[in-house]
This record gives sequence, structure tokens and C-alpha cells, in this order.
Amino acid sequence: QKEVEQNSGPLSVPEGAIASLNCTYSDRGSQSFFWYRQYSGKSPELIMFIYSNGDKEDGRFTAQLNKASQYVSLLIRDSQPSDSATYLCAVNKDTNAGKSTFGDGTTLTVKP
Amino acid sequence: GAGVSQSPRYKVAKRGQDVALRCDPISGHVSLFWYQQALGQGPEFLTYFQNEAQLDKSGLPSDRFFAERPEGSVSTLKIQRTQQEDSAVYLCASSFFDPEQYFGPGTRLTVT
Repeated sequence: QKEVEQNSGPLSVPEGAIASLNCTYSDRGSQSFFWYRQYSGKSPELIMFIYSNGDKEDGRFTAQLNKASQYVSLLIRDSQPSDSATYLCAVNKDTNAGKSTFGDGTTLTVKP
Repeated sequence: GAGVSQSPRYKVAKRGQDVALRCDPISGHVSLFWYQQALGQGPEFLTYFQNEAQLDKSGLPSDRFFAERPEGSVSTLKIQRTQQEDSAVYLCASSFFDPEQYFGPGTRLTVT
């Protein structure tokens, strides 16, 4: 079992809908949580990070963290075709530095 | 400002050859990470530097892999006697003191 699990998808949503991406992790000591977007053939781009339980909103993106359930999610509101990409969840045991452990990503397709 | 740069962007090596991959982090970033990404998978941690100190090399798959960052800035990942299973994208990321990592474009290594 991988330390960070994501549904590989593909997840398909119509333009304008809410896309919901989920991630679970196994290490209860994990302290910081990240969502990266990766377009095909490109490198990962950091889009959200969250350290505390609850919700964190940034524009159309909301990250949700539940440490008790070891669960992180990313909501994308008003999805656009340009949001079509693979979304990688990553966790880190530190809040200061150190390596991140990544899931294998969920592929999202937003259909016009 | 300038992001993380990596060179070469593409490298084709014959099995058994040695290769050197370069990473130039964001100016002022203390931490530098190397990851390996196989097709369809998330990045896998290789090694991590804080300034010139290599704090974690637990992800290096064999003693054929070696990384250095002698002056705390540019880093080189060296792979000796390349094997076909080394074919992957090698990603470099940097961060200041926090775990929010910013990735370079990657080097795609193909071993024939």
C-alpha cells in the first residue's frame, strides 16, 4: 500500500461544475499537505498547501484537511477546460522542510 | 524572478554510460530536492540538501546514483553505468525553509 493514495481517475466533469479530488495518507505524523497540478509533459506546479484541519480557500480552489481521518481533498469550483491536468497530492512530515511523499495523481478532464 | 532551471532537458544515454544532470535552484532557496518520476506515477523522492549538506539520501535507488551541491547552490545528480530502468524524468525542486517546493522543468533521461 502506498503512503499516499489517490484515485487515478480519469475524473470527467462538465465546464462550470465542481471537481472534487481526494487523497488519503497513511502516516499519522504527517504535518503539511500539498496539491500540485501537472499538465502533460510538464513539471508539477504547486497550487495549494494546507497545514491545519479545516478548509483553506484560494480563488476557485479549496483544500480540505481532516487529520483524524487522514484525508485531504481539493475542490475546484467553476471548472474550466484549462483545469484539465493530473493533480498530485503530497504530504510532508515537517512544517519546516524535508521531503514530500507524492501520490500517483488523479487525471481530471473538464469538458466544454 | 527566475525559477528552477535544469539541464539538459533531454538526455539519451547508451546502457552503461555515465550521465550528469544539473539543477540551478531559485536564488536564495536553501533546500534542494531531487525526485524521479516514471510515466503515470507521482514523483519519487531521491535526495535532499539543505545548503551544501545532504540531509537525506534514503531514496537513491543504488550506489550508482550520487548527488552533490558543493557550494550550496547548483546541484548535480550523477548516474553511473546507466541501466534501462533508470529511464525517467528527473525533477529538481527548491524551497526556502518551508516545505513548499517549486519544481524545475525536469530532465527526461532515456537509456537505450
